[in-house]
Amino acid sequence: NAGVTQTPKFQVLKTGQSMTLQCAQDMNHEYMSWYRQDPGMGLRLIHYSVGAGITDQGEVPNGYNVSRSTTEDFPLRLLSAAPSQTSVYFCASSEGKTGSSYNEQFFGPGTRLTVL
Amino acid sequence: AQRVTQPEKLLSVFKGAPVELKCNYSYSGSPELFWYVQYSRQRLQLLLRHISRESIKGFTADLNKGETSFHLKKPFAQEEDSAMYYCALSGPPTSESASKIIFGSGTRLSIRP
Repeated sequence: NAGVTQTPKFQVLKTGQSMTLQCAQDMNHEYMSWYRQDPGMGLRLIHYSVGAGITDQGEVPNGYNVSRSTTEDFPLRLLSAAPSQTSVYFCASSEGKTGSSYNEQFFGPGTRLTVL
Repeated sequence: AQRVTQPEKLLSVFKGAPVELKCNYSYSGSPELFWYVQYSRQRLQLLLRHISRESIKGFTADLNKGETSFHLKKPFAQEEDSAMYYCALSGPPTSESASKIIFGSGTRLSIRP
């Protein structure tokens, strides 16, 4: 099992550019989430999904879009990057209601994004 | 509103001293509480959760509903405990809100030799 994978590891964008951060998991987890990690602010939830076709907003959803067309993949799209979106982005997954330890989040390695 | 507060950004203690990382929360109902840890150059990972009532790597955490706290404790700190620690909460295990996990701002624990 590769667990939760994220690509790319690093990315530099110019203001106004768009891009997609990829996240995939091979554990057949129902739940997936995106967080951003900023100094002094910890991890803040951007969007989350309880299953394929279902997404919802977290604490800081503005400027980001998500979709969940398959159980495995949960891409995060930045439509028009801004310097305030410079951060480290983490994707996470958990089993969901049917799992025995369904609330444990498994995290990806992170994507470090810089917006100039 | 759901909120997790970790009042200390940095906690520095000597090896062998007791450690307490504070966590307070705000939630309407009965949340599930967690502690996650991020060691240097490693992924964020679950340390423990209140529902399991377990001790991991010598750490324990007791949920105090009256004070809405979930402080993390260890009687004797070790150098390998140096890491970033995050307190987190979600809705009750049987609810849809179990999928929405909110984290605190984190406390960096530094153990001095």
